[in-house]
Amino acid sequence: SQTIHQWPATLVQPVGSPLSLECTVEGTSNPNLYWYRQAAGRGLQLLFYSVGIGQISSEVPQNLSASRPQDRQFILSSKKLLLSDSGFYLCAWSPFTNTEAFFGQGTRLTVV
Amino acid sequence: GENVEQHPSTLSVQEGDSAVIKCTYSDSASNYFPWYKQELGKRPQLIIDIRSNVGEKKDQRIAVTLNKTAKHFSLHITETQPEDSAVYFCAASKDTGNQFYFGTGTSLTVIP
Repeated sequence: SQTIHQWPATLVQPVGSPLSLECTVEGTSNPNLYWYRQAAGRGLQLLFYSVGIGQISSEVPQNLSASRPQDRQFILSSKKLLLSDSGFYLCAWSPFTNTEAFFGQGTRLTVV
Repeated sequence: GENVEQHPSTLSVQEGDSAVIKCTYSDSASNYFPWYKQELGKRPQLIIDIRSNVGEKKDQRIAVTLNKTAKHFSLHITETQPEDSAVYFCAASKDTGNQFYFGTGTSLTVIP
């Protein structure tokens, strides 16, 4: 069966520090991969999605970036965090376009 | 791009009553409409979905209806229970796209 792992679960980082969140999927190949952010009490904002290794599409311009160095690995990064980057970050995958997306457990990031 | 609107943002019902959440979408090419339930601090999980070749789908106490002409779809929960309390998200996607567009969420509270 397929599983998605996302870590860390919680993170407290000072303003201006770098960020690296990692997500891996097991039990499938060539998944679509997504990064979403959920601010407190708000909806799911799509940040990045990827349909293959090295293929990254950005939905919202910001100081975040994403990379897909391996087929089932998706990384969210920032060189310098802002206070506004605080939120709940969710990685998700789907087997192909237009089917159910499966979410990771999320990372609660607090920038202080 | 697609724009998904969801109403209401909050909903309180008495246990045993029905709850209805409505979403509209803008892209007539969208043809897949999932609904996700997110309990506090947890990942969103799919509860039901519908494709555009179907007008209604039911799974026990949960049903979804789709009106392609009006471009809206609704989630119906009957005989609500306290464990139904959560945030519910609708979403839309299409064959030629690679991402899901989510509504802003509805916080449902079922009062015992």
